[in-house]
Amino acid sequence: DVKVTQSSRYLVKRTGEKVFLECVQDMDHENMFWYRQDPGLGLRLIYFSYDVKMKEKGDIPEGYSVSREKKERFSLILESASTNQTSMYLCASSPYRGSGNTGELFFGEGSRLTVL
Amino acid sequence: AQSVTQLDSHVSVSEGTPVLLRCNYSSSYSPSLFWYVQHPNKGLQLLLKYTSAATLVKGINGFEAEFKKSETSFHLTKPSAHMSDAAEYFCVVSGTSGTYKYIFGTGTRLKVLA
Repeated sequence: DVKVTQSSRYLVKRTGEKVFLECVQDMDHENMFWYRQDPGLGLRLIYFSYDVKMKEKGDIPEGYSVSREKKERFSLILESASTNQTSMYLCASSPYRGSGNTGELFFGEGSRLTVL
Repeated sequence: AQSVTQLDSHVSVSEGTPVLLRCNYSSSYSPSLFWYVQHPNKGLQLLLKYTSAATLVKGINGFEAEFKKSETSFHLTKPSAHMSDAAEYFCVVSGTSGTYKYIFGTGTRLKVLA
């Protein structure tokens, strides 16, 4: 069974701490994504990566960075956590299907981060 | 530019009655369309997808959706609701050549009444 695994389901951090959210997929997908989900705002794309060491900013990259050193792993980093980063973070992956035909997203279970 | 609109933020049905969740899209390209379901504190699970093959798409758990290009719609239906269908549902469009963007609807929360 295909799987996207997020390392932590629930985290509580303090303002100013550095936070790492890890995501691993076992489907050999080229594309990986980080979203945050907030009530009333839906899913918003933070960053995505279409290859190892490649990354592109999404719609809300401020305050975040990412790392993709291996194809299966995509990490989201909050350099200095703030209370407005309290949210549900969702990792996803998708296969590359060629131009004009995007494969479906496979999601992890989510990481609920609370910043105090 | 691509966009997707879910016409109802909340839908309530009685158990055993049909479900209709509405989605309209806008796309300059031939889109790929998806429906996802999210149960509380869980990730999103794919229900079904349209990728320019058959316009009537069957998914998991008895759900299906019909792609209607003339109406730019991709409504999700199920003949008979079950209590376990209570969740949030997202319509998603993607497929603009050369990008990796997926556009999410704002979600429809389905409530199933006993």
